Amino acid sequence: GAGVSQTPSNKVTEKGKYVELRCDPISGHTALYWYRQSLGQGPEFLIYFQGTGAADDSGLPNDRFFAVRPEGSVSTLKIQRTERGDSAVYLCASSQSGTSGGVGEQFFGPGTRLTVL
Amino acid sequence: AQSVSQHNHHVILSEAASLELGCNYSYGGTVNLFWYVQYPGQHLQLLLKYFSGDPLVKGIKGFEAEFIKSKFSFNLRKPSVQWSDTAEYFCAVKTNNAGNMLTFGGGTRLMVKP
Repeated sequence: GAGVSQTPSNKVTEKGKYVELRCDPISGHTALYWYRQSLGQGPEFLIYFQGTGAADDSGLPNDRFFAVRPEGSVSTLKIQRTERGDSAVYLCASSQSGTSGGVGEQFFGPGTRLTVL
Repeated sequence: AQSVSQHNHHVILSEAASLELGCNYSYGGTVNLFWYVQYPGQHLQLLLKYFSGDPLVKGIKGFEAEFIKSKFSFNLRKPSVQWSDTAEYFCAVKTNNAGNMLTFGGGTRLMVKP
C-alpha cells in the first residue's frame, strides 16, 4: 500500500513569506506527527495529532508555526513570516495507534526540504 | 527532558567488518527504543524496536540491538557489513512521560567501502 506522502518535496521561499507543507498519512492511521530535521542533526519533534486534535504541540518553536488536521487525515504545517533559520527538512510520520502506551510504529514520509532565502 | 546521544558521528568500515553503533539515552523510567535507517535518497525506515521482554532485539537485514537498562544503552550491531549498509542510522526513544513523541539522536553516518 501507499506510504506517507508529503508535498512539495522542495520549497524555496523568501524571508518573511508564508508557506504550507502538506502530509498525507497512511490510510487508517489515526496518529500523525511532524518533525523537523536540520542539517547534520536528528529529527526534532514538533507536533502530534490524534485524530483531528493536536494532542501535543510542545515542540513547535514559536507562534509562527501552526498545524491543522481538520478531517483526521491530511495535515498541513503552516509557517508564517519565514526566517532563514526555518530552513530544514520537515518530516511527517503516521502510526496506527497514538494512545499513550501504544506501541504503534511511526512510518515516515520523504520530507519537504524548505529553504528560506 | 530526555535526550539521546550517538557518540559516533561518522564511521567508515570495509565490507565484512563488524559494526557496533553506540546509543545512550537519559531517562530513568520506562522506554521504548528504536533504530531507524536512512539510505541515500530515501526516507527514514525502521530497522528494529524494543518495547519489552528479551533485551536482545533482531531486526531486518541482519541487524540486532541490545537494551542494557543499567547502562541506559541500546547499541546497534551487525556481524558483517555490506556496501549496501551505507546509510545514516538514527537511534530514537519514546518515554512514558512524553506522550508519543520520538526523541532522536544526532545520527551516525556509516560508509562501507567495497
